[in-house]
Amino acid sequence: QKEVEQNSGPLSVPEGAIASLNCTYSDRGSQSFFWYRQYSGKSPELIMSIYSNGDKEDGRFTAQLNKASQYVSLLIRDSQPSDSATYLCAVKAGGATNKLIFGTGTLLAVQP
Amino acid sequence: DVKVTQSSRYLVKRTGEKVFLECVQDMDHENMFWYRQDPGLGLRLIYFSYDVKMKEKGDIPEGYSVSREKKERFSLILESASTNQTSMYLCASSPNRYEQYFGPGTRLTVT
Repeated sequence: QKEVEQNSGPLSVPEGAIASLNCTYSDRGSQSFFWYRQYSGKSPELIMSIYSNGDKEDGRFTAQLNKASQYVSLLIRDSQPSDSATYLCAVKAGGATNKLIFGTGTLLAVQP
Repeated sequence: DVKVTQSSRYLVKRTGEKVFLECVQDMDHENMFWYRQDPGLGLRLIYFSYDVKMKEKGDIPEGYSVSREKKERFSLILESASTNQTSMYLCASSPNRYEQYFGPGTRLTVT
């Protein structure tokens, strides 16, 4: 069973700090990785995608990928209370498939 | 902007009823997906479709069926609803084999 693992949290950070969210995956053939944000009672919203090793920045968000270690992370700089949500890591399974495998998510709480 | 809509935000049905959940996307996407989301279990794929009239089973297809007669519409059918199908149901669509965009979800309660 291909798996995506996340710490469920809650991860509590003060406003203005950097929040670091981590994800590991088991399928070495995976090539595409995504971060979704899900507010309580709402549906997941795509915020970042990353396909190559290294860092990808988009505003206050940076996704980091290390395929050798099978590790992907999301950094949120200058965290705001409005960033408080569950962050889901998703990995496209290797091979010719349309399926994404989701982690169970990390709950982030940004304290004012 | 990608727009995925679902027919109901909240639905209450009785055990044994046949239930239809509708999903529509307006971006001409090839791929559409149905998930359920339960606390502690995360998102689990029920069925997906990569073309009109084409479907594939996901990880938990038992008790469900799907229909895709038109490219923009993907329906999830609970043939005989049971209480263990009480859940949040999420539809998603994708233009390719990569990112997926979700609808607002339907919270189904089966009593």
